[in-house]
Amino acid sequence: DAGITQSPRHKVTETGTPVTLRCHQTENHRYMYWYRQDPGHGLRLIHYSYGVKDTDKGEVSDGYSVSRSKTEDFLLTLESATSSQTSVYFCAISNRDRLDSYEQYFGPGTRLTVT
Amino acid sequence: GQNIDQPTEMTATEGAIVQINCTYQTSGFNGLFWYQQHAGEAPTFLSYNVLDGLEEKGRFSSFLSRSKGYSYLLLKELQMKDSASYLCAVNLSDTGRRALTFGSGTRLQVQP
Repeated sequence: DAGITQSPRHKVTETGTPVTLRCHQTENHRYMYWYRQDPGHGLRLIHYSYGVKDTDKGEVSDGYSVSRSKTEDFLLTLESATSSQTSVYFCAISNRDRLDSYEQYFGPGTRLTVT
Repeated sequence: GQNIDQPTEMTATEGAIVQINCTYQTSGFNGLFWYQQHAGEAPTFLSYNVLDGLEEKGRFSSFLSRSKGYSYLLLKELQMKDSASYLCAVNLSDTGRRALTFGSGTRLQVQP
């Protein structure tokens, strides 16, 4: 299994508070992704990174920011959490330096509840 | 848009064969993935197709037709542990993003 961990695994927070989720990898993969998963919507891309300090927006980036200061860590921040951000958040990594595959490996997920 | 369509739910019997279909837009297509996701767990990789045809891996096979924007995942000799959601995901180079676009998933229930 790919070495990906996420912290925290579960969090309950109040509307308006800031929240930071951490993704940590030990695979030295260049690409890292943050997705959210909601019933009926599948996995939707929030932000992704293609290297240290290189990030870009996904399809549902509003209300989220990211940072990647080291290859192994990718942080997702909700500056002011809202109830619509209650979801399961998955981090994924891939080794896109391989031209024949864009396979992604997923972390265990973080269940976030905003009350 | 980047619509990826797959059935929401399917039911099949232990020991049988089931086919899960996925259709997608063809513009910018650059590979299709199938993932399995058990309830409460992370998705895990099953298969990858970039050329037309059938890829077989044990009890699981995946087929791709690029001209039709169509793929299917075939599960043979179904086992109870195959009860899970199956996610179709496409790499679309014309999105400008180096990431996958996922369908909403097909929840498969295997019955005794």
